[in-house]
Amino acid sequence: DAGVIQSPRHEVTEMGQEVTLRCKPISGHNSLFWYRQTMMRGLELLIYFNNNVPIDDSGMPEDRFSAKMPNASFSTLKIQPSEPRDSAVYFCASSLARGQGTNTGELFFGEGSRLTVL
Amino acid sequence: AQSVSQHNHHVILSEAASLELGCNYSYGGTVNLFWYVQYPGQHLQLLLKYFSGDPLVKGIKGFEAEFIKSKFSFNLRKPSVQWSDTAEYFCAVTPKAAGNKLTFGGGTRVLVKP
Repeated sequence: DAGVIQSPRHEVTEMGQEVTLRCKPISGHNSLFWYRQTMMRGLELLIYFNNNVPIDDSGMPEDRFSAKMPNASFSTLKIQPSEPRDSAVYFCASSLARGQGTNTGELFFGEGSRLTVL
Repeated sequence: AQSVSQHNHHVILSEAASLELGCNYSYGGTVNLFWYVQYPGQHLQLLLKYFSGDPLVKGIKGFEAEFIKSKFSFNLRKPSVQWSDTAEYFCAVTPKAAGNKLTFGGGTRVLVKP
C-alpha cells in the first residue's frame, strides 16, 4: 500500500493567498484526520471525518479554515485567506474506525505539508 | 475533554543509557493509549499501543511502556538507547468510546549523543 499521500510537501505563499492542502487516505480506511503541528502548540487535531462525514471540527481555528471530503479517497484542507500564523506542518492521517473489520486503533500519518506564509 | 501531559520537553543522553519518558493523562473513563515516534523530517509512526490486558506493553525497536491505571500514567522506556533513537516521542490517548480521535501530548524531543 502507498500509505497516506499528501500534497504539496512544501508550500510557500504570501499572506492573503488561498492555500489548498490535499490528502489521499489509505484505501479501505474510513476515518480521516487533519492535524496541525507547530513548535508552540504541538500536534492539534483540526477536524476528522468518518465515512466522509465531518464528525468533529471543534479544532478548526477560524472560519478561514475549511475541510472537505467529497469521497472516500480524497480530502482537502483550505485556508482562505492565509496568515503568517498559519505557518505549520499539516498532517493528514487515516484509520479504520472501530467496529468495522480489523481495527488496530492506529492512525497512519502522511508525510505532512509544510506551509510557510510570508 | 481528555488531556495528555508529557513531563519532559527535551532529553539528552548518551548511547547505551536508559530512557524513560513520562506520560500522564486526564480522563475519567477507560482509554486506549499510544506512543508515536517522529524521526527527524519524517511523519509520525506507531511505537506501541495499549488497549487492555497486560499493562506492560512491548513495541518495536526495543521500546516498552507500562500502564498504571491508578496513576493515569503510560510511561515509555528503553533499557539501552541508540543514536538512531533520536526523535520526538508523542504520547496519545483516546477514550474507548471516542473512535480513533487521538489527543496527543506536547511531545518529548530525545537527542542521543553517539
